[in-house]
Amino acid sequence: GAVVSQHPSRVICKSGTSVKIECRSLDFQATTMFWYRQFPKQSLMLMATSNEGSKATYEQGVEKDKFLINHASLTLSTLTVTSAHPEDSSFYICSARARQGPNEKLFFGSGTQLSVL
Amino acid sequence: DAKTTQPPSMDCAEGRAANLPCNHSTISGNEYVYWYRQIHSQGPQYIIHGLKNNETNEMASLIITEDRKSSTLILPHATLRDTAVYYCIVRWGSQGNLIFGKGTKLSVKP
Repeated sequence: GAVVSQHPSRVICKSGTSVKIECRSLDFQATTMFWYRQFPKQSLMLMATSNEGSKATYEQGVEKDKFLINHASLTLSTLTVTSAHPEDSSFYICSARARQGPNEKLFFGSGTQLSVL
Repeated sequence: DAKTTQPPSMDCAEGRAANLPCNHSTISGNEYVYWYRQIHSQGPQYIIHGLKNNETNEMASLIITEDRKSSTLILPHATLRDTAVYYCIVRWGSQGNLIFGKGTKLSVKP
């Protein structure tokens, strides 16, 4: 299956700093990538949709100035958490849409555990 | 609204078949049933999907009822590494994203 690589897997930062998370599709081109967030014992919630070459689309309640998304190429999307605060601590997961045969599937990165002190 | 109903948790003995049910009574005619699983602290992993015919791959089998209102994911010989949260998904968001429900936490025990 298609491979999505996400880095870093874990990051600890001080409150007020910014953190960048990278998501790469390794063996396919992804015009669309998605960023999810998952709090402990909860399901994945979509934060934003990243489209190559255009502005990201954010879900209701997600601050676009706080969660900056850049999708500069067909294989790379980045999520930057700006001025991180403890409430931003969460598990962030990217995914990319790939077509295999007649169907589309979403493939997911391994996730990034962000801890803000 | 995830449009699916799954039991919150299930146990299975190692080496036995794990049968995970999913109810999707409001599924539309052109909506596929997708199954993903999430092992602790990892991203979701694709397992299998189908429309109306039963499907089998190297990981699992998917049995969809004739009226398509429910399905069952079968792991034929569960191992300890199959312990995970299993998500049955039929709904895609307006952006082309998958919408996750709460899933079933499967615990495979020795």
